[in-house]
Amino acid sequence: AQTVTQSQPEMSVQEAETVTLSCTYDTSESDYYLFWYKQPPSRQMILVIRQEAYKQQNATENRFSVNFQKAAKSFSLKISDSQLGDAAMYFCAYKRGGSNYKLTFGKGTLLTVNP
Amino acid sequence: ETGVTQTPRHLVMGMTNKKSLKCEQHLGHNAMYWYKQSAKKPLELMFVYSLEERVENNSVPSRFSPECPNSSHLFLHLHTLQPEDSALYLCASSLNPGQGGIEAFFGQGTRLTVV
Repeated sequence: AQTVTQSQPEMSVQEAETVTLSCTYDTSESDYYLFWYKQPPSRQMILVIRQEAYKQQNATENRFSVNFQKAAKSFSLKISDSQLGDAAMYFCAYKRGGSNYKLTFGKGTLLTVNP
Repeated sequence: ETGVTQTPRHLVMGMTNKKSLKCEQHLGHNAMYWYKQSAKKPLELMFVYSLEERVENNSVPSRFSPECPNSSHLFLHLHTLQPEDSALYLCASSLNPGQGGIEAFFGQGTRLTVV
């Protein structure tokens, strides 16, 4: 079974600084997708960034980028120039490719941004 | 405005009550999901509907009964719940994987408290 592990229950960062959130996963599949979701106090889960396993290039969305290490099964999220609005729970998630519906989530990392 | 709307936002119910959670999506998706989010645990997939047919049921107790009358609406009927069922219940939608549906879009959840 696929598992997703986030080893950092909590992280903090100073405003305008950079922070990296860790995620590892376990799978025997070759076709899959990885995601980072953000859940602010409003509770809505918002997609931050996604990575297709077949792509070697790391995904980037504005201040958010990932370091995808396929052999190591590692998928970390880097947030640059942190803003107060980045404070939230961040969840790493995995989805097998093909006709599969299920997202497997990690337990999450609570990110605090200090002014 | 979120494309996935859940009502109510908060619900307190006794163990003998019957209530329903409602989810509506305006994104033109054809797959809908119920997830359970408990404290200190990863999100758990409960049910998946694709084209109004249930395609996944992950060993959920029968006191939870889903209903998908059309591709835009999803309900979760609750009866004789237990205190351990208290959690945040998240609805999500996506296109079917066969149509390129990779990302799931979430609502803001219903915070359920069973007393």
